[in-house]
Amino acid sequence: NAGVTQTPKFQVLKTGQSMTLQCAQDMNHNSMYWYRQDPGMGLRLIYYSASEGTTDKGEVPNGYNVSRLNKREFSLRLESAAPSQTSVYFCASSESYSGNTIYFGEGSWLTVV
Amino acid sequence: AQSVAQPEDQVNVAEGNPLTVKCTYSVSGNPYLFWYVQYPNRGLQFLLKYITGDNLVKGSYGFEAEFNKSQTSFHLKKPSALVSDSALYFCAVRDGAGGGNKLTFGTGTQLKVEL
Repeated sequence: NAGVTQTPKFQVLKTGQSMTLQCAQDMNHNSMYWYRQDPGMGLRLIYYSASEGTTDKGEVPNGYNVSRLNKREFSLRLESAAPSQTSVYFCASSESYSGNTIYFGEGSWLTVV
Repeated sequence: AQSVAQPEDQVNVAEGNPLTVKCTYSVSGNPYLFWYVQYPNRGLQFLLKYITGDNLVKGSYGFEAEFNKSQTSFHLKKPSALVSDSALYFCAVRDGAGGGNKLTFGTGTQLKVEL
């Protein structure tokens, strides 16, 4: 039981390049999330998917898009990467969108130069 | 709006001594409160949560937290610290009255347990 798996773990991008972070969960959870973690700022919600077929903006959605491909998978896309998007990205999931515990992946370290 | 404050960037404690990591929160409705731990270069691991019921919540690895509604606090505690407890600890809150499972995290407290 792998839990939440995200790829790649490390990536260096040039400004303006695009990339997609992949995330999959094997816990049959309905809700999935993307967070970014920056020093001194905790974790901030980028986008979430309360259930398959729905996505919504979180606290810091600008510069990102998401796709809930199916119940298991939730990808995050940077269309034109900027240095301000250098961060650690975490995918997470929960059984539902009503207060259940959120479980996190191991993180993806992204550097934009 | 909901918010979380972790007033200490770092807490140092000797192994075997009790530890406390502080957290205060602000929500308009009933708070759902969580503690997570993050080891270097790893994801966040769930420690414990308070939704309702007993104010003292017990969690993983011997940690516990006390919910205090009047002081709007949810401090993390452990009676006897281990060197292996050294990590980054995050408190998080969501409003139980609605708004879905959107957690607001504190900025984290680095716990350092020394021999």
